[in-house]
Amino acid sequence: GENVEQHPSTLSVQEGDSAVIKCTYSDSASNYFPWYKQELGKGPQLIIDIRSNVGEKKDQRIAVTLNKTAKHFSLHITETQPEDSAVYFCAANTGSGYSTLTFGKGTMLLVSP
Amino acid sequence: GAVVSQHPSWVICKSGTSVKIECRSLDFQATTMFWYRQFPKQSLMLMATSNEGSKATYEQGVEKDKFLINHASLTLSTLTVTSAHPEDSSFYICSASPMDRAGNEQFFGPGTRLTVL
Repeated sequence: GENVEQHPSTLSVQEGDSAVIKCTYSDSASNYFPWYKQELGKGPQLIIDIRSNVGEKKDQRIAVTLNKTAKHFSLHITETQPEDSAVYFCAANTGSGYSTLTFGKGTMLLVSP
Repeated sequence: GAVVSQHPSWVICKSGTSVKIECRSLDFQATTMFWYRQFPKQSLMLMATSNEGSKATYEQGVEKDKFLINHASLTLSTLTVTSAHPEDSSFYICSASPMDRAGNEQFFGPGTRLTVL
């Protein structure tokens, strides 16, 4: 089955700096890679996703890059703000029909003012 | 758009009782809903995949007789934890995939905190 590894487990940055979170996956058939933000006590919120026919996608301060050959994808947050502080999860689709998601272990991002 | 609700948001029950959690897609229809559990400071673990009108598919190690899932309509799935015990205490989260999209996208509910005494 799919294995998704995520690094780092914690990341501390100063407000205004950039943050990068990296994930690798094992199943070359995976073709959908979402990123979720989870605040304490809440459900995960989809913030951006990318499909395997695209190498990069950007939405304001957030971007995701995908390297299919190396089987890794990354989340880039620019001009970080304290409200970006949360746990971020990457995921890759897997399973029969590739409709289920396998999640990374999460990265706790702390943005200090 | 793509809003998913869960009810209740938290519940405390006595050991041996059953608890039902509802998951609703509010502004879209979902052929597939998913149930996850999450322990503190850990990732999401998929428990089961639920398709409308058919039996749920459970992940390895998840007892189907303990975690009963019903997906009776395109907007509602329920998870019943039967004969709950303290080790079932966890954060249960559902997600739903819109049927009118390309596929794979999952939108999550706010979660239900279950505490079994």
